[in-house]
Amino acid sequence: KQEVTQIPAALSVPEGENLVLNCSFTDSAIYNLQWFRQDPGKGLTSLLLIQSSQREQTSGRLNASLDKSSGRSTLYIAASQPGDSATYLCAVAGVNSGGYQKVTFGTGTKLQVIP
Amino acid sequence: AAGVIQSPRHLIKEKRETATLKCYPIPRHDTVYWYQQGPGQDPQFLISFYEKMQSDKGSIPDRFSAQQFSDYHSELNMSSLELGDSALYFCASSLRGMRGTSYEQYFGPGTRLTVT
Repeated sequence: KQEVTQIPAALSVPEGENLVLNCSFTDSAIYNLQWFRQDPGKGLTSLLLIQSSQREQTSGRLNASLDKSSGRSTLYIAASQPGDSATYLCAVAGVNSGGYQKVTFGTGTKLQVIP
Repeated sequence: AAGVIQSPRHLIKEKRETATLKCYPIPRHDTVYWYQQGPGQDPQFLISFYEKMQSDKGSIPDRFSAQQFSDYHSELNMSSLELGDSALYFCASSLRGMRGTSYEQYFGPGTRLTVT
């Protein structure tokens, strides 16, 4: 059974800092890994999707990397802003018994960027 | 671009009542997934459907049932509601693609169910 862990569980940084969020998974047989942002009580906003064959994806100030063999992904946020404050979830798309995709979410990292 | 639509967005029910949540996938998407996210928890997979057939099952209680209709929309039926069913329920859709291929799931805004 796939298990997805995110470290740290919570992070508080001053505005302008660069930061790294970590995601680890136990089963490296994955199709893709996706990073989401979730504001309190709100839905999931997709940030980046990395296919298993890719090493990284970039979007604006965000960069996500994937090391499938070691079961790790990192989300790098450059020049953090107060508006980045949210919970960040990684979601790993593995394989179900039928050979099709099944998504397992990580435990989340709650980020607070202090002005 | 069209997104996944969920209705209602908010729902308040009393214990032992029933609730029906609806999900309308992105046009041409043939697969629907349901997730439950309790307060302070990560989303947990409940069930998925492809072409009106159940394709996978997660931690869905026996009190819940779901189906996918010919127009690909899906409904999650919840009976004998309990206080612990209060959560945010997400629906996602995707193209199923070929077996062994990777595809992105697109998430709806969620339905917040409160059981009192």
